[in-house]
Amino acid sequence: DADVTQTPRNRITKTGKRIMLECSQTKGHDRMYWYRQDPGLGLRLIYYSFDVKDINKGEISDGYSVSRQAQAKFSLSLESAIPNQTALYFCATSDFGLSAYNEQFFGPGTRLTVL
Amino acid sequence: AQSVTQLDSQVPVFEEAPVELRCNYSSSVSVYLFWYVQYPNQGLQLLLKYLSGSTLVKGINGFEAEFNKSQTSFHLRKPSVHISDTAEYFCASSSKAAGNKLTFGGGTRVLVKP
Repeated sequence: DADVTQTPRNRITKTGKRIMLECSQTKGHDRMYWYRQDPGLGLRLIYYSFDVKDINKGEISDGYSVSRQAQAKFSLSLESAIPNQTALYFCATSDFGLSAYNEQFFGPGTRLTVL
Repeated sequence: AQSVTQLDSQVPVFEEAPVELRCNYSSSVSVYLFWYVQYPNQGLQLLLKYLSGSTLVKGINGFEAEFNKSQTSFHLRKPSVHISDTAEYFCASSSKAAGNKLTFGGGTRVLVKP
């Protein structure tokens, strides 16, 4: 079974609709992240959470909100979807430790299309 | 803020030929550098990372990268590519000051031709 799962894998919706993308992990990591991927722009950080009570905005948080329901679950919501939110969305997790860097592990992605 | 630039958006290459993907980063006192690969319809997988120490880093699938502080570069190389190396490759940076957050380049799409 995959360590980081995302649902749905594909979603088509209409402008103005509320959408929730879900991420679950079985790695036992404290830290979770949401990114969006656009052609030519790479991945950009939307929100991140270092534990259940810690939520932080990334570089492109406008139009998005998140919820950290448990250590293992981190949801991304689009309150009122617009076409320029059409993108590939990735969830990632990482451990917290004393090492210099803790590797991020990525889910398979959710392809969202807003018409 | 950190920035990462991948100089080539697409790189076509013949099977068994060498490939080099170029990456430049904005300077930071203690920078960590990474290369990720994204195969079609899949998530990102870490190829290799530079945290400190030897400037030549070896990763999975025969890839290696060289950290060059004076040129602020971290180019990825493979001496002989296979069809299965067709994928998109992302360079990324982080630092202690960035708190483990990654900054990605725009990606380089590698198409290996037979």
